[in-house]
Amino acid sequence: AQSVAQPEDQVNVAEGNPLTVKCTYSVSGNPYLFWYVQYPNRGLQFLLKYITGDNLVKGSYGFEAEFNKSQTSFHLKKPSALVSDSALYFCAVRPFGSGNTGKLIFGQGTTLQVKP
Amino acid sequence: GAVVSQHPSRVICKSGTSVKIECRSLDFQATTMFWYRQFPKQSLMLMATSNEGSKATYEQGVEKDKFLINHASLTLSTLTVTSAHPEDSSFYICSASPGQGNTEAFFGQGTRLTVV
Repeated sequence: AQSVAQPEDQVNVAEGNPLTVKCTYSVSGNPYLFWYVQYPNRGLQFLLKYITGDNLVKGSYGFEAEFNKSQTSFHLKKPSALVSDSALYFCAVRPFGSGNTGKLIFGQGTTLQVKP
Repeated sequence: GAVVSQHPSRVICKSGTSVKIECRSLDFQATTMFWYRQFPKQSLMLMATSNEGSKATYEQGVEKDKFLINHASLTLSTLTVTSAHPEDSSFYICSASPGQGNTEAFFGQGTRLTVV
């Protein structure tokens, strides 16, 4: 079965420190991987995606993610966290064979708390 | 990025009544849209795939007679929660993808449904 796992329910970091939000996946075929952020009572905002090419993907708001095929991981990173980065983060994978329809399987989400 | 608009953002209804939620793609056409449900502090659960001009495809365990989906045009899908009960209270989110050559999904801002 195709799945996405985010092993941490919550990540706490101090403002200005680097942050990492972990994601591992299990899919058949080549994975299409995504990160989204959700603020309270809002829909999801797209941060970045990996389709093919460079393993290091740069996205919105200074975030980046590194695709690691051998470890089946796609961790989200940012060199210097901001208090405004505090939100709920979702890793997602597009199932193999779903075509270009946008159907996604989500991880359980990780709450990022950045303290001043 | 592309814009998906969802309406209403918040609705309160009485038990036994029906509620309609609209999802519109504002600057692109979407032959397929997706409806998700999200419980507090949990991930998104795919409910159904809305197909323009044909029947929706429901995920296992989702009652199609309770959650009616209509995708009458290339820019509008509606989700109707029929005979609502308090346990239907949740956050409902739709998504759509512009299609060919663009693989990320864009999400509506979500609808907070409270059934009293």
